Amino acid sequence: DAGITQSPRHKVTETGTPVTLRCHQTENHRYMYWYRQDPGHGLRLIHYSYGVKDTDKGEVSDGYSVSRSKTEDFLLTLESATSSQTSVYFCAISMGLAGGFGEQYFGPGTRLTVT
Amino acid sequence: SQQGEEDPQALSIQEGENATMNCSYKTSINNLQWYRQNSGRGLVHLILIRSNEREKHSGRLRVTLDTSKKSSSLLITASRAADTASYFCATHPDDKIIFGKGTRLHILP
Repeated sequence: DAGITQSPRHKVTETGTPVTLRCHQTENHRYMYWYRQDPGHGLRLIHYSYGVKDTDKGEVSDGYSVSRSKTEDFLLTLESATSSQTSVYFCAISMGLAGGFGEQYFGPGTRLTVT
Repeated sequence: SQQGEEDPQALSIQEGENATMNCSYKTSINNLQWYRQNSGRGLVHLILIRSNEREKHSGRLRVTLDTSKKSSSLLITASRAADTASYFCATHPDDKIIFGKGTRLHILP
């Protein structure tokens, strides 16, 4: 999976609790992304980063925040988890061709269940 | 149709046959990409075609792009069991990327 790891790989949490997912890369790529994948919706972009401390919102950013303090790490935080945030979360990286929306490499995913 | 919508939703073919899946989109794009996803895994990039390109090849993959019809097709020739997966197109209009819901391809032995 192109030097990308996600942790945890599986998590079950209760409604209202904060949750942080971590994406770590060893490729030194500038761009990093968080997506969620749900049946019937395909893959949707949550937030992305184009450098340390530089982030922007994607299509479904409400209820999520991100931080990138180092090139290799991109954190996704659910401030107060809700059942609608039950999903599989994928991190991706890219070198930034095509304005950051060229070829991307994906991590293995994190399956999050909010009860 | 929504931006980046694949057709058909599911496809089953015999091993050795060719598989064709299509992607339609609504707005003008900078590029279009195809990805593969095996069950329970992350997506794997297959091919990127720019808006000024009409056809691109990579091994057994052939991608075409028709910007006048706002559509793309992915052809997999001489299919193998290992091609069983979901295939997604992703369009890049302006400063965003939009994935379709995918085509599930099943290669029968």
